[in-house]
Amino acid sequence: RKEVEQDPGPFNVPEGATVAFNCTYSNSASQSFFWYRQDCRKEPKLLMSVYSSGNEDGRFTAQLNRASQYISLLIRDSKLSDSATYLCVVVRGQNFVFGPGTRLSVLP
Amino acid sequence: SQTIHQWPATLVQPVGSPLSLECTVEGTSNPNLYWYRQAAGRGLQLLFYSVGIGQISSEVPQNLSASRPQDRQFILSSKKLLLSDSGFYLCAWSWGGDQPQHFGDGTRLSIL
Repeated sequence: RKEVEQDPGPFNVPEGATVAFNCTYSNSASQSFFWYRQDCRKEPKLLMSVYSSGNEDGRFTAQLNRASQYISLLIRDSKLSDSATYLCVVVRGQNFVFGPGTRLSVLP
Repeated sequence: SQTIHQWPATLVQPVGSPLSLECTVEGTSNPNLYWYRQAAGRGLQLLFYSVGIGQISSEVPQNLSASRPQDRQFILSSKKLLLSDSGFYLCAWSWGGDQPQHFGDGTRLSIL
């Protein structure tokens, strides 16, 4: 089993839709979590950190469930510009483990 | 603010040739530095990380090496490239621990 797994995707959704990404991790010692987005042929960029209590940044909401070792990202009112690959990141000590990513295409 | 620079942006090299990719960070001191590789359509693979000058940790044994001659400079090298070395090479920095990493623009390397 891989240390970090994500929905295989791709997700194709219409503009304005709500889309949810799921991520599971296998190592219970993991202590920090992030979501990154990566545009085609570009570098990953930090989207948001994931806090135990859940956190929101505009249209984006991240949730963490430590008991189930599960992280989610919700995008509301999706825009064309949200089209990208979304990477879940799990941190254990100094070790950042990136998930394989889920590709999102928002369609007009 | 902090910035990270990588060069070159693209590189085409023959099999067996040497490689040197450079990464520099500005606006911070004593950052953690990282080299990743991303094969086409695949996830990020950590190659090396460094917590200080001259301190290199290798995650994957292969024909690549890394060096950190200065605090904010990280170099990825190879004496002889293989076809399998093709990919998108990304340098990143962080303040260490569980702080997020920030990536450079990447170098797209093609081996012929």
